[in-house]
Amino acid sequence: NAGVMQNPRHLVRRRGQEARLRCSPMKGHSHVYWYRQLPEEGLKFMVYLQKENIIDESGMPKERFSAEFPKEGPSILRIQQVVRGDSAAYFCASSPWQSYEQYFGPGTRLTVT
Amino acid sequence: AQTVTQSQPEMSVQEAETVTLSCTYDTSESNYYLFWYKQPPSRQMILVIRQEAYKQQNATENRFSVNFQKAAKSFSLKISDSQLGDTAMYFCAFMKHVTGANSKLTFGKGITLSVRP
Repeated sequence: NAGVMQNPRHLVRRRGQEARLRCSPMKGHSHVYWYRQLPEEGLKFMVYLQKENIIDESGMPKERFSAEFPKEGPSILRIQQVVRGDSAAYFCASSPWQSYEQYFGPGTRLTVT
Repeated sequence: AQTVTQSQPEMSVQEAETVTLSCTYDTSESNYYLFWYKQPPSRQMILVIRQEAYKQQNATENRFSVNFQKAAKSFSLKISDSQLGDTAMYFCAFMKHVTGANSKLTFGKGITLSVRP
């Protein structure tokens, strides 16, 4: 059973470009969470999604950031018009329904130049 | 809202010795879960141990054990017989229990643990 997959592992974008981060949950997991880790910081919750639904987006910045988890395919975290402050590691985690266990992917390191 | 505090930014321990990492949290919830995650240089987040708040018995996983003091809202991690592979950042995390649903993790800032040979 493959773990949580994230791609790309490293992404470099220039200011003003768009960044798309992908997350494929573990097989059988219907819930996905996105977290952001700034340098020397802990992980901060961004958004929690179920297939075709956003359950909790209380940690998402109000502008430029969006997330989706379609019926088919991976979850996507999209950052429009990236700025230097978006440089961070973005982690995805997945879990089955009604579970307190979250399994993390290896993260995507976004660098904005 | 919940907060998790890890006040020690870094610690160092001699190989084979025991080290305790501290964590406190603040919540008005009565039912919740607490976790310790390890993040080695590879940056992969690895679950080390978890504790259900309704359980009085402290969780243990091989060389890792916790001291859970619910009234004091304290949740420390003890690593016995430290090994070089334990060198990593360690994060304490809180999750509210939501009946019939999943919930998010709230993390502390982490502590860098170095194991000296």
